[in-house]
Amino acid sequence: LAKTTQPISMDSYEGQEVNITCSHNNIATNDYITWYQQFPSQGPRFIIQGYKTKVTNEVASLFIPADRKSSTLSLPRVSLSDTAVYYCLVGGLNNNDMRFGAGTRLTVKP
Amino acid sequence: EAGVAQSPRYKIIEKRQSVAFWCNPISGHATLYWYQQILGQGPKLLIQFQNNGVVDDSQLPKDRFSAERLKGVDSTLKIQPAKLEDSAVYLCASSTRTDRIHEQFFGPGTRLTVL
Repeated sequence: LAKTTQPISMDSYEGQEVNITCSHNNIATNDYITWYQQFPSQGPRFIIQGYKTKVTNEVASLFIPADRKSSTLSLPRVSLSDTAVYYCLVGGLNNNDMRFGAGTRLTVKP
Repeated sequence: EAGVAQSPRYKIIEKRQSVAFWCNPISGHATLYWYQQILGQGPKLLIQFQNNGVVDDSQLPKDRFSAERLKGVDSTLKIQPAKLEDSAVYLCASSTRTDRIHEQFFGPGTRLTVL
């Protein structure tokens, strides 16, 4: 079971870039890194997933160093509506130990 | 495309009473999950179905919780009898594949308060 560690909370201001780092020191060879976002009173929403190097979509970027022991979710130019909890999960095909941790509570201030 | 539907959205019961939650996944999604999310914590998986079969129910408190997905489409989760510590949001999610790394689509959840 690949345990993940991420900050409990972060504050930012509108227009800034936010980077949330997740540590997963015992990630397995076949594991992927997945991030979900959860707004208050809603279910989590898939944001991005990667295996190595960098992945970018319309919402975020995911940076994964060569050793894959950590990953960084990057949110460009955040707005108040990006205030949410962000979860980092690690797991692979045929590995059903992928679990949600406590997540990182991001608060974007005006 | 319609999302995952859940009902009711809110439920208040007294301890020792019974309660049931309903979930209708996205059409065509064979995999269905039930999660429990206690305030301030991440979602905890209770049970995973693939069509109408159980893939994983290792974290389901089977003495009081039960779930079924008889026709491989919608699902119900029941608690009988409820305890105070069952107060939480119950989330249903669905996916096209069994492996949990595949995108899970979550419903809005049912907020349960046990008094």
